[in-house]
Amino acid sequence: DADVTQTPRNRITKTGKRIMLECSQTKGHDRMYWYRQDPGLGLRLIYYSFDVKDINKGEISDGYSVSRQAQAKFSLSLESAIPNQTALYFCATRGAAGGTDTQYFGPGTRLTVL
Amino acid sequence: AQKVTQAQTEISVVEKEDVTLDCVYETRDTTYYLFWYKQPPSGELVFLIRRNSFDEQNEISGRYSWNFQKSTSSFNFTITASQVVDSAVYFCALSVRPLEPGNQFYFGTGTSLTVIP
Repeated sequence: DADVTQTPRNRITKTGKRIMLECSQTKGHDRMYWYRQDPGLGLRLIYYSFDVKDINKGEISDGYSVSRQAQAKFSLSLESAIPNQTALYFCATRGAAGGTDTQYFGPGTRLTVL
Repeated sequence: AQKVTQAQTEISVVEKEDVTLDCVYETRDTTYYLFWYKQPPSGELVFLIRRNSFDEQNEISGRYSWNFQKSTSSFNFTITASQVVDSAVYFCALSVRPLEPGNQFYFGTGTSLTVIP
């Protein structure tokens, strides 16, 4: 089974709709991240969380919100989706202790906003 | 400020050729990690390698090798005898002071490699 899972894998929605993307991990990592990927722009950080009580804005947090329901779960919400939020969204976890600093990514969610 | 630059946007090579993907990073920190990730056409991001700033030894893993040079702030990735399955987008990334609050990863914009059969 995958260590980092994302649901849904694909979603098409309309402008103005509320959308939630979910991420779960079994790696036992405290840190979790949401990124979006757009062609030519690489990965841009939306939000990150170092534990269930810690939420931080990333580079492009406007129009997004997150919830860290448990150590293993980190959800990303688009309160009112707009077409320029069409992108590939990745969740990642990270183990940073003991010199093992590495991010591990989920399979991605392809979101299309019409 | 931290920054990762992958100047090569797209590269095409013929199968069995060697290819080097360039990565230049910027940081004033002395403790940092460098990474390479592969994103095949299926879209997932696959971790390839991590290197810390205190270890400048080059690493080889099969057809893949990495050349870390602090003097030029570079962490280049070479694929020897390329194969069609190597076709993907490759991302270089930087992390500094990983245990400190607010720490982030910094990604380059990626290099799209196409291996032509």
